[in-house]
Amino acid sequence: DAGVIQSPRHEVTEMGQEVTLRCKPISGHNSLFWYRQTMMRGLELLIYFNNNVPIDDSGMPEDRFSAKMPNASFSTLKIQPSEPRDSAVYFCASSHGQSEAFFGQGTRLTVV
Amino acid sequence: AQSVTQLGSHVSVSEGALVLLRCNYSSSVPPYLFWYVQYPNQGLQLLLKYTSAATLVKGINGFEAEFKKSETSFHLTKPSAHMRDAAEYFCAVKSGAGNMLTFGGGTRLMVKP
Repeated sequence: DAGVIQSPRHEVTEMGQEVTLRCKPISGHNSLFWYRQTMMRGLELLIYFNNNVPIDDSGMPEDRFSAKMPNASFSTLKIQPSEPRDSAVYFCASSHGQSEAFFGQGTRLTVV
Repeated sequence: AQSVTQLGSHVSVSEGALVLLRCNYSSSVPPYLFWYVQYPNQGLQLLLKYTSAATLVKGINGFEAEFKKSETSFHLTKPSAHMRDAAEYFCAVKSGAGNMLTFGGGTRLMVKP
């Protein structure tokens, strides 16, 4: 398996624009996590899905952020409108049951 | 509810010295515990995991961790640090039926020549 695949790897956008981050989890995994990492706040859990259903989205900063998982092989994290403070590395991870989570390489987002 | 506390956001050791990174967890049910390592500009990769088998767990790159239920700890150790061990280390816990994965704040390990 190719592992967790995230796209794009880098994204530079202007403030106010919509940004969509994509994630393809490992086949057969039933849990998917979105994390955000910054120097100031470290690694933060934004939302996680179990069997395609959002279980906990308490980490989503505000209404500008939304996440979907339309099927077991794809998830998106959308920011609309984007702001400079959203600049961070966004990681997607997937796991099966109580096993370890496998992380993607991340998307480095810069909002100017 | 579950949580993870990593004592020391930065740890500095000399090359060849013992590495000890501390992790304490809280969980209302038996946990699954993990240590991850993150090298600069990379994602997180698994070092080792505890899944209720042996309490002393050996991982990659010479690291190991011991699960101590009485102390609710899962500290990471390595007998002799190498320069290549310089990275950020994260402790994480999973427990209960929800499969939620909770991370500690991370510890940045620096290795001095």
